[in-house]
Amino acid sequence: NAGVMQNPRHLVRRRGQEARLRCSPMKGHSHVYWYRQLPEEGLKFMVYLQKENIIDESGMPKERFSAEFPKEGPSILRIQQVVRGDSAAYFCASSPGQAAGYTFGSGTRLTVV
Amino acid sequence: DQQVKQNSPSLSVQEGRISILNCDYTNSMFDYFLWYKKYPAEGPTFLISISSIKDKNEDGRFTVFLNKSAKHLSLHIVPSQPGDSAVYFCAAANSGGSNYKLTFGKGTLLTVNP
Repeated sequence: NAGVMQNPRHLVRRRGQEARLRCSPMKGHSHVYWYRQLPEEGLKFMVYLQKENIIDESGMPKERFSAEFPKEGPSILRIQQVVRGDSAAYFCASSPGQAAGYTFGSGTRLTVV
Repeated sequence: DQQVKQNSPSLSVQEGRISILNCDYTNSMFDYFLWYKKYPAEGPTFLISISSIKDKNEDGRFTVFLNKSAKHLSLHIVPSQPGDSAVYFCAAANSGGSNYKLTFGKGTLLTVNP
């Protein structure tokens, strides 16, 4: 039973490019959460999605960031026109229902050069 | 404004001894607390949790203590093993509100020396 799968593990983008981060939840999990960890910081909540619905995006920056979890396929976190401050580790987690003790993936480390 | 604080960035202990990791919180709405362990280049792994209706929860070598009046919790690892070396994150949630949303501390790097 595979865990939460995130790809790519590492992503390098030049300033102004777009970054797409993918997350496949554990089998049977329909709730997905995205967190960001800046250097020397704890993880910070970004967005909570269920299939085809954004439930809570209160932690998402107002501009350039978007997330989706389509009926088929992985959840996608999209960052447009990346800036150096977007460099961070982005973690996805999933759960079978709305809950706090969820399972995290190994993360995508985004570096903006 | 940090609502969950782990004031010790690092802790070093000898193998076989007790490791005590501390966490303080400021938001009185938090009533569910979790500890996660994280190795480099991996995601956080859930370790143990405690609800505010309890003051202690034990799972093998890991025990979490909660002092609600002091808004303080601690994770005890006994005996500590070299494989326990990792970053430990304390996290909190409000089970009556957005129970899925975790607020994390900055973490404590635990090093267990053989």
